[in-house]
Amino acid sequence: DAKTTQPPSMDCAEGRAANLPCNHSTISGNEYVYWYRQIHSQGPQYIIHGLKNNETNEMASLIITEDRKSSTLILPHATLRDTAVYYCIVRKEGAQKLVFGQGTRLTINP
Amino acid sequence: DTAVSQTPKYLVTQMGNDKSIKCEQNLGHDTMYWYKQDSKKFLKIMFSYNNKELIINETVPNRFSPKSPDKAHLNLHINSLELGDSAVYFCATQAGTSGRELFFGEGSRLTVL
Repeated sequence: DAKTTQPPSMDCAEGRAANLPCNHSTISGNEYVYWYRQIHSQGPQYIIHGLKNNETNEMASLIITEDRKSSTLILPHATLRDTAVYYCIVRKEGAQKLVFGQGTRLTINP
Repeated sequence: DTAVSQTPKYLVTQMGNDKSIKCEQNLGHDTMYWYKQDSKKFLKIMFSYNNKELIINETVPNRFSPKSPDKAHLNLHINSLELGDSAVYFCATQAGTSGRELFFGEGSRLTVL
């Protein structure tokens, strides 16, 4: 699976949009971009995933660049409960494994 | 009802002991996993089972033996515990065999003294 690069940490003010970048310049055509988060002391939680098109659900939006070499996870109105480590993962279609990197520690400040 | 439940949540034991962590899921998913998260917070896959059959074994020492008595359970037995086994162990499940989201349990924190 392609490797991803994320900033180790980010801060965002409560109520503002949190934009978390991810680089995956070696992504191949059949690899999806997944986002998970891990709130302190809890198990990882699925957020969203996409292949080429932008995706939106009740938690977040995923914007994937046209060349698919990077993506941005957007939390539109961040709350204190969104403080967590966010993992961007590239996973082949049909792959059994989900391989976690170091992620971005996002802190939402009041 | 918790979808993926692990027991115990906390386990403190001495080096050399044998211990088990249990995982149960009520989602009807076919695939179950064990992940280990060490003190540096790095999440690493250990095992994957599909319909009680071992699919992935990520070069984990053979002191670790997963057992799947049925599709809803995947237990992790650890023999001769070592200090380096101290970690949080997460169970996860997935519908089907691949390409879908994983659902994680709350974790079991193992401390080996």
